Amino acid sequence: RKEVEQDPGPFNVPEGATVAFNCTYSNSASQSFFWYRQDCRKEPKLLMSVYSSGNEDGRFTAQLNRASQYISLLIRDSKLSDSATYLCVAPNDRGSYIPTFGRGTSLIVHP
Amino acid sequence: NAGVTQTPKFRVLKTGQSMTLLCAQDMNHEYMYWYRQDPGMGLRLIHYSVGEGTTAKGEVPDGYNVSRLKKQNFLLGLESAAPSQTSVYFCASSAGGLAGQETQYFGPGTRLLVL
Repeated sequence: RKEVEQDPGPFNVPEGATVAFNCTYSNSASQSFFWYRQDCRKEPKLLMSVYSSGNEDGRFTAQLNRASQYISLLIRDSKLSDSATYLCVAPNDRGSYIPTFGRGTSLIVHP
Repeated sequence: NAGVTQTPKFRVLKTGQSMTLLCAQDMNHEYMYWYRQDPGMGLRLIHYSVGEGTTAKGEVPDGYNVSRLKKQNFLLGLESAAPSQTSVYFCASSAGGLAGQETQYFGPGTRLLVL
């Protein structure tokens, strides 16, 4: 099982839709999780951290489910500008807790 | 603040040639990382450093060497480039604390083509 797994998509949604992505991780001891956004041919940029109690920032909500070992990202009222690849990050399970990136989920928001 | 910068932005090499990619950060971060990103593979960690003078292997270190002689710089070397090293290389840095629990800041990337 890969350490951090994501559905690559693409998720095709109309403007205004609500869309959610999940990301599963294998290290049950993981404490820190992140969602990054990567635009085409650009570097990843932090979207939000994922706390045990969840985290909300405007239209974006991140949740952590420790029992099932996954994190989620919910985007409400999708905008065209939300089109990007969303990468989740969790520490690896090789003892060094180096961040491991998922392969990313592609989101395409259309008019 | 420039954040994280990378040079060069793009490079074409012939098989067997060598080159060094430079990463510089002006945020006084302790940790620095080198990743490669290939289509469908996501970001894979090559090497990382938890402080000046220290380096460690990541997930895909073969064919690469690194050095962190100064806190603000992290160099990635390819001694004998191979076509399999054609990729986009990203450098990142993060503040002190336990690795994996800090936000990473990325450079704009270096596109490398090995013929």
